[in-house]
Amino acid sequence: SQQGEEDPQALSIQEGENATMNCSYKTSINNLQWYRQNSGRGLVHLILIRSNEREKHSGRLRVTLDTSKKSSSLLITASRAADTASYFCATDISGAGSYQLTFGKGTKLSVIP
Amino acid sequence: DTAVSQTPKYLVTQMGNDKSIKCEQNLGHDTMYWYKQDSKKFLKIMFSYNNKELIINETVPNRFSPKSPDKAHLNLHINSLELGDSAVYFCASSQGRIAKNIQYFGAGTRLSVL
Repeated sequence: SQQGEEDPQALSIQEGENATMNCSYKTSINNLQWYRQNSGRGLVHLILIRSNEREKHSGRLRVTLDTSKKSSSLLITASRAADTASYFCATDISGAGSYQLTFGKGTKLSVIP
Repeated sequence: DTAVSQTPKYLVTQMGNDKSIKCEQNLGHDTMYWYKQDSKKFLKIMFSYNNKELIINETVPNRFSPKSPDKAHLNLHINSLELGDSAVYFCASSQGRIAKNIQYFGAGTRLSVL
């Protein structure tokens, strides 16, 4: 079964507005990462948050992690048309020999100019 | 100068054929991956190699065979292609085998089996 699930599946906003995407997961994790995928391209890493961190910022991105609720959110402030993409969370399950990331199905964000 | 490059970008072929996808990274990483992304955008790990050693081998039909001649290259050979193999295949690389390391993705190979 899937580890990470993003919601909403799709989100459409006006340029300048903030966009919030959520990710829920099922088992304990070491880290959670967010990736962006532009149409027809590969995934690009955005930010990593460790299980002992609660919030992290990078430019216009803000990520929170609530391990008690097994959830994370990605906030993009002052969105731009260039932010139009799919956004994926990826988790690595805690425990020895954790070698793989498990990706969710993604949130498709459309920013309307 | 592309960090992770895959060839070909598009691959259209008939059912039953055998095809290969190549991947090369110039980042000096020691770990490489193959992922399959289906039509619903679900990205699933298939294989991973660390220094030419297979470390992840998910439940994938044995028609799929990865080969890593050196740590900068990871190729994927698919025998007897089926309609259900149609998807986008992504190669990725990272430094170190543990999952917390950032992965760098290629642009993908869109495989269409007719």
